[in-house]
Amino acid sequence: QVQLQESGPGLVNPSETLSLTCTVSGGSVSSGSYHWSWIRQSPGKGLEWIGYIFYSGSTNYNPSLKSRVTISVDTSKSQFSLKLSSVTAADTAVYYCARARGGFYRHFDYWGQGTLVTVSS
Amino acid sequence: SYVLTQPPSVSVAPGKTALITCGGNNIGTKSVHWYQQKAGQAPVLVIYYDSDRPSGIPERFSGSNSGNTATLTISRVEAGDEADYYCQVWDSSSDQGVFGGGTKLTVL
Repeated sequence: QVQLQESGPGLVNPSETLSLTCTVSGGSVSSGSYHWSWIRQSPGKGLEWIGYIFYSGSTNYNPSLKSRVTISVDTSKSQFSLKLSSVTAADTAVYYCARARGGFYRHFDYWGQGTLVTVSS
Repeated sequence: SYVLTQPPSVSVAPGKTALITCGGNNIGTKSVHWYQQKAGQAPVLVIYYDSDRPSGIPERFSGSNSGNTATLTISRVEAGDEADYYCQVWDSSSDQGVFGGGTKLTVL
C-alpha cells in the first residue's frame, strides 16, 4: 500500500522560506507512471494545486505561485520536496503531498495526511 | 486558466439521492475526478475518469459528465456521507491541476 507522509516546520516567519518534504513508501518516486504533486488548503477554504514533479525532474507550477515555488525530487530517498519563498500569512494552510496518475487525465489517488504550516512571527 | 464551478452547499435527507454538480466550459470533453473530504481529514478519491470507482468506494457513488456539467450522484445517502466534495480536472493545455471550489454536503 502506497503511503505518503509530509514533514517540516509547522511555523514559518513571514518573508522566509517554507520547506516541506514528502516521503513515499510502498511505491517509488522513480516510477514513470506517476507524477508527484503538492496541494494546499487554507483554513476553511478549498483545495489549491501548487505544482508537480516527475521522476526525471521536470516540473510545472500554478501560475499564481510560480515565482516563489520550487519542487524537487530525491529518488535515492524516495522523497520529493516543496520550497515556497517570501511567505506571508496568506500562505498559512494545510499542505498535502499526493500521487497523480492518468497522463493527460491526471487524478490524485494517494494523499498524505497533510501538515499545517502557519506563517507568523 | 480553466475554471470549475460548484454549488457551495447541498442538503439531502438520509436515504435520498444527492446530486453535486461541477460546471466548466465544455467539461464533457475532459475527464472529471471527485474527492470526498471529511472534517479534519485528507481528501479521498471517490470517482475518477468521470464515472469509475476506486476499490473500496461504495456503488452508491456514481458520476456522469456531459456538455458543460459533470455530476456526482450519491444514492441512498447516509449520515457518514456528510463531507466536502471537490471536482477536479487536469487542464492538459496548461498541464495543471484544477479543483472546483467544493460543495458541502449536509445530511439532514
